[in-house]
Amino acid sequence: QVQLVESGGGVVQPGRSLRLSCAASGFTFSSYGMHWVRQAPGKGLEWVAVISYDGNNKYYADSVKGRFTISRDNSKNTLYLQMNSLRAEDTAVYYCAKDLGKSITGTTKVDYWGQGTLVTVSS
Amino acid sequence: NFMLTQPHSVSESPGKTVIISCTRSSGSIASNYVQWYQQRPGSSPTTVIYEDNQRPSGVPDRFSGSIDSSSNSASLTISGLKTEDEADYYCQSYDSSNHGEFGGGTKLTVL
Repeated sequence: QVQLVESGGGVVQPGRSLRLSCAASGFTFSSYGMHWVRQAPGKGLEWVAVISYDGNNKYYADSVKGRFTISRDNSKNTLYLQMNSLRAEDTAVYYCAKDLGKSITGTTKVDYWGQGTLVTVSS
Repeated sequence: NFMLTQPHSVSESPGKTVIISCTRSSGSIASNYVQWYQQRPGSSPTTVIYEDNQRPSGVPDRFSGSIDSSSNSASLTISGLKTEDEADYYCQSYDSSNHGEFGGGTKLTVL
């Protein structure tokens, strides 16, 4: 069965960096687009970024563009999110999510979600 | 960019039918597929409808999705309500600028 396991969350000071990882199993990782979606405490879901199946196409929400970088290593079945210049408003649970398709044009159709990892930005 | 607007909350009795709406602010609702996600308290989201009206395996046929171009909206219908359906429900779509977008979420209470 599909499993997505996020890691790398924690408490970080404003302006610092953090890298999240998502280990995927139970499907052919290299055939599907992947997303990061976040949820601030007590708030709704916010789409963050998507990467195509081959890593060649990446798209970002305006709120993180220029600060966050999504990447993937298909040889390790792992998705990453490098987060720089973190702000208090980036505090959230970050979910890794699998797309139904290749996401070449950034289409967002999630079929599986991870359990999430909490990032807290605070001094 | 566009927005998806959902009612903040809905409530209904067990065994009844509830419809949750999701209205797109600009651009046609039919131009990009709509997905619906269920999030029970303390849990990750799960997908209950994809591509407007498709159910993933394991999702009961009490859940159905539709779109209405005349109102530029999508709807999630849950029939034969059960207490286990109590959760937050989010609609989601995307646009030509390659951005995903979620609705604000609807809290369903089954009382």
